Amino acid sequence: QKEVEQNSGPLSVPEGAIASLNCTYSDRGSQSFFWYRQYSGKSPELIMSIYSNGDKEDGRFTAQLNKASQYVSLLIRDSQPSDSATYLCAAQGGKLIFGQGTELSVKP
Amino acid sequence: NAGVMQNPRHLVRRRGQEARLRCSPMKGHSHVYWYRQLPEEGLKFMVYLQKENIIDESGMPKERFSAEFPKEGPSILRIQQVVRGDSAAYFCASSSDLRASYEQYFGPGTRLTVT
Repeated sequence: QKEVEQNSGPLSVPEGAIASLNCTYSDRGSQSFFWYRQYSGKSPELIMSIYSNGDKEDGRFTAQLNKASQYVSLLIRDSQPSDSATYLCAAQGGKLIFGQGTELSVKP
Repeated sequence: NAGVMQNPRHLVRRRGQEARLRCSPMKGHSHVYWYRQLPEEGLKFMVYLQKENIIDESGMPKERFSAEFPKEGPSILRIQQVVRGDSAAYFCASSSDLRASYEQYFGPGTRLTVT
């Protein structure tokens, strides 16, 4: 069974801090990895995609991929209360397999 | 609005009725995916379709559920004889034909309530 594992949280950080979200995956054949943000009652919104080992930065977000360790992470710098949401990690080796999501709470 | 469109946004059905959920992909996208999200659970893949073809239906329940993506018109997810356990949010996502882009963009979802 191909799986994607995330800590369910909740992860609570103060405003302005760095939030670190982690994810591991079981299928070594996965080639593409994604982070989605989902506000309560809303649909998932794609915020980052990463395909090769290393870091990828986009504004306050940095995705990190280590295929040898089967590990993906998302760093959110200067966290804002509006970042409070559930963050879903997804791995693709064919279809998208989602983790359970990590709930992030940014306290003012 | 060039985004993924789904309708209806909310659907209430009594047990035993049929539910039809529609999805129009983003402009320029021809790949459609359906996911289900049960309360307090993660997103689960159901089916992947291209025009007139089902590519992967490994996540579809064996009975009562079917999906299509006709040459013309939206993709349809059909649930026959609904039961209370079918109550969930059903999301459609689409992606482009470009091999370089596997990014999937989600529609607003259909919240199905079975009474």
